[in-house]
Amino acid sequence: DAGITQSPRHKVTETGTPVTLRCHQTENHRYMYWYRQDPGHGLRLIHYSYGVKDTDKGEVSDGYSVSRSKTEDFLLTLESATSSQTSVYFCAISESRERDQPQHFGDGTRLSIL
Amino acid sequence: KQEVTQIPAALSVPEGENLVLNCSFTDSAIYNLQWFRQDPGKGLTSLLLIQSSQREQTSGRLNASLDKSSGRSTLYIAASQPGDSATYLCAVRLTGGGNKLTFGTGTQLKVEL
Repeated sequence: DAGITQSPRHKVTETGTPVTLRCHQTENHRYMYWYRQDPGHGLRLIHYSYGVKDTDKGEVSDGYSVSRSKTEDFLLTLESATSSQTSVYFCAISESRERDQPQHFGDGTRLSIL
Repeated sequence: KQEVTQIPAALSVPEGENLVLNCSFTDSAIYNLQWFRQDPGKGLTSLLLIQSSQREQTSGRLNASLDKSSGRSTLYIAASQPGDSATYLCAVRLTGGGNKLTFGTGTQLKVEL
């Protein structure tokens, strides 16, 4: 299995509080991604990173920010959490943009906003 | 906008049966298509990746095919086992779309004894 650790694995918090999710990889892969998974919507890309300090928006980026200060860590922040952000969040990594490189996923963080 | 559809949403089969899972996509300008498996409470495990220039890929009892012109891919599972029970997801990467994937909503497979 790819060395991807997501923390925390579960979190319950209240509307309006800030939340930061962490993705740590030991594979030294260049690309990292944050997805959310919701019933009926599948996985949707929130943000991704193509290198240290290089990030770009995905399909559902509103209300989220990311940072990548080191190759191994990619942080996802909800500045002021809302109930619509209750979801399961997955981090993924890939080695390069080459088309034969699959994405590998972490085990997810289950986030509940009350 | 690329849309990816997987039908059926759920499938139950007896052990030993050969089965086919379907994935369709609306934009044929894809770079590749990837099949994943997801177990409850877990992340996604990559099963097969098919490049746009390929017609099929095989790994053990799994065979994935791709027909770009019709916007379809199938995942064939031979001699199904209870351990194959999981949700199967397909995802496409568009040409010129960076390395971003668009996912289907998955087919939940149950293989019964």
